[in-house]
Amino acid sequence: DVKVTQSSRYLVKRTGEKVFLECVQDMDHENMFWYRQDPGLGLRLIYFSYDVKMKEKGDIPEGYSVSREKKERFSLILESASTNQTSMYLCASSLAGLRSQHFGDGTRLSIL
Amino acid sequence: DQQVKQNSPSLSVQEGRISILNCDYTNSMFDYFLWYKKYPAEGPTFLISISSIKDKNEDGRFTVFLNKSAKHLSLHIVPSQPGDSAVYFCAASAGDTNAGKSTFGDGTTLTVKP
Repeated sequence: DVKVTQSSRYLVKRTGEKVFLECVQDMDHENMFWYRQDPGLGLRLIYFSYDVKMKEKGDIPEGYSVSREKKERFSLILESASTNQTSMYLCASSLAGLRSQHFGDGTRLSIL
Repeated sequence: DQQVKQNSPSLSVQEGRISILNCDYTNSMFDYFLWYKKYPAEGPTFLISISSIKDKNEDGRFTVFLNKSAKHLSLHIVPSQPGDSAVYFCAASAGDTNAGKSTFGDGTTLTVKP
């Protein structure tokens, strides 16, 4: 069974801090995704990656960057956290050629 | 401009009855549609999907119907069970995008009452 693990369930950071959210998948999936989920706004794609060191912007990349140095790990970086980045962050992965994604349980991030 | 819309934020049904969740889309390039279920404090899990070459796909109690001319799909759950209470997300994917990227709707919260 595919396991997508997000390093923290809850995280509290201060405005202006650099924040790292980590995601690891154990099924050798090529594709990895970062979403944020906000009430009434569904899941919005921040960035995705279809191969090591490859990344593409999603619908709301502003204020974020990503890193994929190894196939199993996809990191989301908030360069200088702001209060409007308080949200639930979800990581997902999928096999190349398949459309369905496997999600982690999310990180609830609060920026104070 | 929201490309995938779930116009009903919530739905309440009685156990044993049918639940019908609706989803509309605007992008004609979408050729694959998925439904995910999400329980509180967990990530979404894939439920069922349908390709645009079909108009129906069934998996046990779950059936997805696609009406391409109306750009509308629906998820039917029969019979509904209390354990089906969750948030349901509709998602759509275009074949020409890299990495199987999907666009999600806002979700519909289904409550099945015993």
